[in-house]
Amino acid sequence: SQQGEEDPQALSIQEGENATMNCSYKTSINNLQWYRQNSGRGLVHLILIRSNEREKHSGRLRVTLDTSKKSSSLLITASRAADTASYFCATDEGGNTPLVFGKGTRLSVIA
Amino acid sequence: EAQVTQNPRYLITVTGKKLTVTCSQNMNHEYMSWYRQDPGLGLRQIYYSMNVEVTDKGDVPEGYKVSRKEKRNFPLILESPSPNQTSLYFCASSLAGVKGYTFGSGTRLTVV
Repeated sequence: SQQGEEDPQALSIQEGENATMNCSYKTSINNLQWYRQNSGRGLVHLILIRSNEREKHSGRLRVTLDTSKKSSSLLITASRAADTASYFCATDEGGNTPLVFGKGTRLSVIA
Repeated sequence: EAQVTQNPRYLITVTGKKLTVTCSQNMNHEYMSWYRQDPGLGLRQIYYSMNVEVTDKGDVPEGYKVSRKEKRNFPLILESPSPNQTSLYFCASSLAGVKGYTFGSGTRLTVV
């Protein structure tokens, strides 16, 4: 079952601009994670935010979580051409439940 | 180097010919999982495993089998592949309770 839904499906920005991607989910979650995938390659884990956290930073990445709205956002500041990739959110419901991915946002950063 | 290794990277096969895609991790992870990725459908989970000898169906298990006889290995078996199993397959693993998955590089399977 698809849990997270990313928005927008595709995003094109100029290098140096900020990129914001959103993720909405349906059920209560334990953790929410963001992953990056370069074309045809394996996903790379970016950041994990727990359900009792509201914001987390890692380098140029900022993730927010609003459990009342069942939504999260990923902000990439000062984007670079190398940030061009697909970005996925993934959620789990705790315990032994598996990680469920959304369909992703395709980000293009134009130099 | 900590990694998840899948083999082969590319495979073209014919309908009905049994095949196995291997997955091995060297991080002593408890969780392992198989996903398939198709355009417009994102990643869909096929099977997952919490630990040795414990496996469970994901969202799209039909036509696939898995086994977890050792902690490091989690092969994906297609007993009788069909063209609708043409896809990009990923194996992933994680520590229990942490859930940040490490992904393999993928196996692009074409069934003709």
